[in-house]
Amino acid sequence: KQEVTQIPAALSVPEGENLVLNCSFTDSAIYNLQWFRQDPGKGLTSLLLIQSSQREQTSGRLNASLDKSSGRSTLYIAASQPGDSATYLCAVRTPGAGSYQLTFGKGTKLSVIP
Amino acid sequence: EAQVTQNPRYLITVTGKKLTVTCSQNMNHEYMSWYRQDPGLGLRQIYYSMNVEVTDKGDVPEGYKVSRKEKRNFPLILESPSPNQTSLYFCASSRKYTGELFFGEGSRLTVL
Repeated sequence: KQEVTQIPAALSVPEGENLVLNCSFTDSAIYNLQWFRQDPGKGLTSLLLIQSSQREQTSGRLNASLDKSSGRSTLYIAASQPGDSATYLCAVRTPGAGSYQLTFGKGTKLSVIP
Repeated sequence: EAQVTQNPRYLITVTGKKLTVTCSQNMNHEYMSWYRQDPGLGLRQIYYSMNVEVTDKGDVPEGYKVSRKEKRNFPLILESPSPNQTSLYFCASSRKYTGELFFGEGSRLTVL
């Protein structure tokens, strides 16, 4: 069964710093991986989707990389801003017996201090 | 605007009183799903639907029902709610089963 881990559970950085969020998974035979952000009391907003054949995806100040062989993905945030404060979750889709199981990590809560 | 809309956003009810949480998407997505989010447990899938009239159980389906009679709507039904169903519920959709997921704003349910 796929397990997804995000460490650390919480992270606090000063504004302007570049930072990396980590997502690790136990089964490397994934179909794709998606990063989300969740603001308090809100739904999840999709940030980036990486297919298993891709190494990275970029959107603005965000860059997500995928290393299937090591079971890892990282989300790089450049020049962090207070508005980046949120919980970041990764979700891994893994093929199974006639289906594609989606497994979420528990998230990293990011605080960007002005 | 492309969106997934859930209603109600907040609900307090009592044990045993049937309720329905509606979910509607305007993106013509084939795939829709329901999740619950609980502290320490993260997001867990309740039910999903690959297309109209096609639904299947997720990880925690007990106590819930769903139906998919129209492509845009995927209501979640709690026939006899119990306090352990107090949670934050999310509906999500994607163009296809393996595609990018888009979430609704969530429905916070409290069962007394």
